[in-house]
Amino acid sequence: EIVLTQSPGTLSLSPGERATLSCRASQSLSSIYLAWYQQKPGQAPRLLIYGASSRATGIPDRFSGSGSGTDFTLTISRLEPEDFAAYYCQRYGSSPMYTFGQGTKLEIK
Amino acid sequence: EVQLLESGGGLVQTGGSLRLSCEASGFPFSSSTMTWVRQAPGKGLEWVSSLSDSGGTTYYADSVRGRFTISRDNYKNMLYLQMNNLRAEDTAVYYCARDTCSFTSCYHTSWGQGALVTVSS
Repeated sequence: EIVLTQSPGTLSLSPGERATLSCRASQSLSSIYLAWYQQKPGQAPRLLIYGASSRATGIPDRFSGSGSGTDFTLTISRLEPEDFAAYYCQRYGSSPMYTFGQGTKLEIK
Repeated sequence: EVQLLESGGGLVQTGGSLRLSCEASGFPFSSSTMTWVRQAPGKGLEWVSSLSDSGGTTYYADSVRGRFTISRDNYKNMLYLQMNNLRAEDTAVYYCARDTCSFTSCYHTSWGQGALVTVSS
């Protein structure tokens, strides 16, 4: 079973700064199987990135995804106040069908 | 507009049962794989179960296999999660999600607002 480990657990930054969130897989996986979600307090998650680097519909271009093999990154180029939230990476596969990372909380410094 | 509306959550005793429902609209439900994801209080997201568009193929997390049953009614655009032998660790908000599949990969493109299930002794 592939395990996804996200780092850091909490990231404290200021609006306007660049955020870099990491997701590391315990085994190599194809980038087409890697997605990122954003979740604000009290809300349902929202798909940000699929296929490691493709933005979902309506997602601003300040959000970008990259990576391959075991190391994947979500980058927010210039933080807006509404970007402070929790972020989860997810892998699609088999046994189990989906696996989430434990999440990174992006908080205002 | 895609809408997913969960219902059926509530308080149940340990060992009890509950059935969650998810009413879908705004997309071709009968052509979509559907999924349940849960989130325990203050914790991260956990995939629970998925069901193919026809209802013929089911997938379960090890933590719920044998206790939970996912099903659907494509005529009513409804997704269900029957939860039996509930445990305290099943306490969570349960989200219904629509899956979109592309190039052999899938991801959750739409989510409901969630239904809270509390299991207490």
